[in-house]
Amino acid sequence: GENVEQHPSTLSVQEGDSAVIKCTYSDSASNYFPWYKQELGKGPQLIIDIRSNVGEKKDQRIAVTLNKTAKHFSLHITETQPEDSAVYFCAATIGTGFQKLVFGTGTRLLVSP
Amino acid sequence: AAGVIQSPRHLIKEKRETATLKCYPIPRHDTVYWYQQGPGQDPQFLISFYEKMQSDKGSIPDRFSAQQFSDYHSELNMSSLELGDSALYFCASRLTRETIADTQYFGPGTRLTVL
Repeated sequence: GENVEQHPSTLSVQEGDSAVIKCTYSDSASNYFPWYKQELGKGPQLIIDIRSNVGEKKDQRIAVTLNKTAKHFSLHITETQPEDSAVYFCAATIGTGFQKLVFGTGTRLLVSP
Repeated sequence: AAGVIQSPRHLIKEKRETATLKCYPIPRHDTVYWYQQGPGQDPQFLISFYEKMQSDKGSIPDRFSAQQFSDYHSELNMSSLELGDSALYFCASRLTRETIADTQYFGPGTRLTVL
């Protein structure tokens, strides 16, 4: 089945720096790659997603890139702020139709003022 | 905008007891997914429903069952609870029938503690 690896597990940056989180997936049939932000005690919140027919997508300070050949996708956060501190999960969908999510193991991002 | 509603938010049970978790999807959403998240872990897919029919099944124990009702809300029934069932349980909803949208929107979760 699908396997999603995520690195790093923890990431500490200074406010204003950029943060990059990387994921790889195993199933070449995967075609949808969302990123979720999870704050303590809350449910995962979608922050950006990308489909397999697109190589890059940007939304203000957040961008995601996808390399289908390498089965690799990354989250880029620029001008980080303390409120960006949270656990970030990448995910990939497998199967057709109802596409359950397979999550990476998460990255704890800490942005220091 | 309306979000996914889950109830209860917190639940404490004894071993071998039964628990029922409820999920109310975003209005018009027809697909519900259940995920289990252990402490410090990523969410793991349990089961999903589309138009009241089970659409996929993951690592859900036989002690658990779920269903989706005519109003699209879903319930996860957990019997013979074990200590290892203590976790956050998330419901996510998605609108499948009208578009090719893939986005799953997550609820706030139910924290189940088994003593």
